[in-house]
Amino acid sequence: ELKVEQNPLFLSMQEGKNYTIYCNYSTTSDRLYWYRQDPGKSLESLFVLLSNGAVKQEGRLMASLDTKARLSTLHITAAVHDLSATYFCAVVGSNYKLTFGKGTLLTVNP
Amino acid sequence: ETGVTQTPRHLVMGMTNKKSLKCEQHLGHNAMYWYKQSAKKPLELMFVYNFKEQTENNSVPSRFSPECPNSSHLFLHLHTLQPEDSALYLCASSKPGLASVNNEQFFGPGTRLTVL
Repeated sequence: ELKVEQNPLFLSMQEGKNYTIYCNYSTTSDRLYWYRQDPGKSLESLFVLLSNGAVKQEGRLMASLDTKARLSTLHITAAVHDLSATYFCAVVGSNYKLTFGKGTLLTVNP
Repeated sequence: ETGVTQTPRHLVMGMTNKKSLKCEQHLGHNAMYWYKQSAKKPLELMFVYNFKEQTENNSVPSRFSPECPNSSHLFLHLHTLQPEDSALYLCASSKPGLASVNNEQFFGPGTRLTVL
């Protein structure tokens, strides 16, 4: 059974600081997604990572995938308040099902 | 309308009521999903439909009954629910796994369900 673990689950940052969210998963997969969810809203797709070594960047967020280590990272650079949200990673298993992590609640303080 | 839409957005029901949630996708996808999101729990996959056929039932109690009349519409029929069923129910769609390079799922806004 595929298990996906994110850490930290809660992250409080100061504006302007950098930090990384980690996503580990338990079985082989070469597809991983990062989603963002604002309170009371749905999930918004941020990144699709399809191969080992994939790196994608959008604004202050950068995601990477290491399929050998079964690890993805979401790096936040110079955080701003608008980035406050919950971030989920999700991994595609052998049966094409998505398994989600518990999410990381990010709060960026002025 | 574009993307994935869900109605109603909020629903309050008693344990003896029968209600239905509706999902519609305008993306030309052929796979649709129901997820449950409870407080402090990961998103839980409930049902998967590929080309209108149910391909996954993730041990969901029978008080939840899905229906997929065509590739664009998905329903979740609810009856005799329990208070612990209160949650955000999210619908998603994608190209079917075998046909899609990345199987990216697009989510609707969700229905916030409260069972009294």
